[in-house]
Amino acid sequence: DSGVTQTPKHLITATGQRVTLRCSPRSGDLSVYWYQQSLDQGLQFLIQYYNGEERAKGNILERFSAQQFPDLHSELNLSSLELGDSALYFCASSVGIDRGYEQYFGPGTRLTVT
Amino acid sequence: QKEVEQDPGPLSVPEGAIVSLNCTYSNSAFQYFMWYRQYSRKGPELLMYTYSSGNKEDGRFTAQVDKSSKYISLFIRDSQPSDSATYLCAMKGAWNDYKLSFGAGTTVTVRA
Repeated sequence: DSGVTQTPKHLITATGQRVTLRCSPRSGDLSVYWYQQSLDQGLQFLIQYYNGEERAKGNILERFSAQQFPDLHSELNLSSLELGDSALYFCASSVGIDRGYEQYFGPGTRLTVT
Repeated sequence: QKEVEQDPGPLSVPEGAIVSLNCTYSNSAFQYFMWYRQYSRKGPELLMYTYSSGNKEDGRFTAQVDKSSKYISLFIRDSQPSDSATYLCAMKGAWNDYKLSFGAGTTVTVRA
């Protein structure tokens, strides 16, 4: 158990809908990262937050957004969902910005868009 | 061409064998090199990280980095059936480069 929690574990929804994925980092970790894992694209970095502020963006679509709250939990919002958004979404955390090489991953949320 | 190349395998070895995994990369700015293990339907688990070139050993696991060749390796000695998983290499640049770039992952099966 990495100490990173994610909810829900599974999510099934229809195209065009909006969903919110939630992540709680390990105790003491200030940085949160979001990743998407699909069979054809592998594990892709989406976005990073540090202590409530956005620090880096990767291959994140404009339909997707995220935020980190004062209690350090983070939410990833996916809107106008398409079939191609079906994937595993992982959250990871690290102690600080300078420890980005030591990220601990949560169990993931499996999103199925029908 | 992908930034990080990793043979997806699959790789099947008998119990007790040495498992050899590797990745190549094209970005010379990478300074940190990580190996993750991912069991089916689980999140990736950090095994080891290495800074710059050299070797690092942790129990049955040895990581090697050759920056001159842009080539990294992971060796698993005395492999066990519990080592059956997908192994992902990951890399990042300097301390303020927040993005991890992952390989596609190699699926390993250790036969009892």
